[in-house]
Amino acid sequence: DAKTTQPPSMDCAEGRAANLPCNHSTISGNEYVYWYRQIHSQGPQYIIHGLKNNETNEMASLIITEDRKSSTLILPHATLRDTAVYYCIVPMDSNYQLIWGAGTKLIIKP
Amino acid sequence: GAGVSQSPRYKVTKRGQDVTLRCDPISSHATLYWYQQALGQGPEFLTYFNYEAQPDKSGLPSDRFSAERPEGSISTLTIQRTEQRDSAMYRCASSRGLAGYTDTQYFGPGTRLTVL
Repeated sequence: DAKTTQPPSMDCAEGRAANLPCNHSTISGNEYVYWYRQIHSQGPQYIIHGLKNNETNEMASLIITEDRKSSTLILPHATLRDTAVYYCIVPMDSNYQLIWGAGTKLIIKP
Repeated sequence: GAGVSQSPRYKVTKRGQDVTLRCDPISSHATLYWYQQALGQGPEFLTYFNYEAQPDKSGLPSDRFSAERPEGSISTLTIQRTEQRDSAMYRCASSRGLAGYTDTQYFGPGTRLTVL
C-alpha cells in the first residue's frame, strides 16, 4: 500500500494561495490520491481526488506530477475558515481502507 | 437523511461497562465505515459494511469490539468490558457505492468516548 508524506504544519496569509505538498513515491498506477480536511474536532471533509490529470472543483485544485510521485493541493484564496488539518491519502489497492497519517496542520493568518 | 449522524455525541462510562455507539448513514449509501481517532491523529480504520455484509473486521483492536448493520442501514459499534485505552473519538462514515470503488466518504460528527 502506498504511503504519503506531508509536512506537519504550514502557515499561509489570508487571501493568498495555500499550496500543500504531498509525497507518495510508492504509488501504483491505478491508485488515486485523495485529499480530506478536518476542521477542529469536526468529522473529516472530502476535498478532491485525482488519478493522473490535474483536477479542480469549487473547493480546491489538485496538481499531480507526471510521474505521480507527488501532488499539491491548492486553495486559491485561503480564508480563516480554511484553518484545518489536511490529509493526503492514497487508499490501499482495495480502495476502501484509507490509511490516514498525521496530515498537515494549515494555519491561515489574518 | 441529509448527512451522517451519530449518537450519543459524548459518552462517559466506567471501566468494565459495555457501550454501544450508533451510526445513521446517508440514506441509500451502500457502504458504512467505522474509525477510531485518537487526539492529534488521523482516523484509524476499524471495520466496514457493504449493506449488511461485513467483509473486513481487521481493524477491530480486540474481540471486545463488534459491529453490526443488520438491515443494511443503521449500524452499531459495541465495546464490551471497556478499558481506559478505549477512550477516543469514534467516527462513522458512509459512501454511495460498494467499497472497492473510488468513492467519497462522508463522515459523521463522531462519538467522544471517555472510559474512567
